[in-house]
Amino acid sequence: AQSVAQPEDQVNVAEGNPLTVKCTYSVSGNPYLFWYVQYPNRGLQFLLKYITGDNLVKGSYGFEAEFNKSQTSFHLKKPSALVSDSALYFCAVRVYNFNKFSFGSGTKLNVKP
Amino acid sequence: DVKVTQSSRYLVKRTGEKVFLECVQDMDHENMFWYRQDPGLGLRLIYFSYDVKMKEKGDIPEGYSVSREKKERFSLILESASTNQTSMYLCASRPTLAGGANEQFFGPGTRLTVL
Repeated sequence: AQSVAQPEDQVNVAEGNPLTVKCTYSVSGNPYLFWYVQYPNRGLQFLLKYITGDNLVKGSYGFEAEFNKSQTSFHLKKPSALVSDSALYFCAVRVYNFNKFSFGSGTKLNVKP
Repeated sequence: DVKVTQSSRYLVKRTGEKVFLECVQDMDHENMFWYRQDPGLGLRLIYFSYDVKMKEKGDIPEGYSVSREKKERFSLILESASTNQTSMYLCASRPTLAGGANEQFFGPGTRLTVL
């Protein structure tokens, strides 16, 4: 079985401050981990993924994520938040050679001016 | 760019109606997926397909069926719509490439209301 947890329903941060959106996972096997963003009334857009190799993954719009195997986490980060980053963020996991993705419940990021 | 399109952005149906949600992708992807999205529950997989005429149940297939007669098109069918099927429905596609670590590409979603 595989699952993803996003422990925070909402994260509030001031513009210009660093942001972190948390994700932990549970899988049997090597995980592929993904972050997606959803703007209001839109589908999900891919941000970044971890497959293997360097634990720090860089993605779109200045976002990055750190894979931590011992803590089974894949937290999304950005050094300086923008108001336009306000959206719903989803973490997802997939196990190698298995077509099914499991998504977290989503975290709403609010960036205030 | 990969494009995944869904036939309707908003749909209102009555209880007991048969509902068809259509999804088309233009990148020759082998795999296609249907999810429903509800607040606090994230995305839940209804069905997916890895080839024409092939389908597999996801986590919540009850009350739904699917059809994939052509590679680019994946249809979700609500045989008899019920109010608890009011939700946002998202279609996605994904290629099967060497290595397998490919992300999904999502359509804009269909917000279905069942009265």
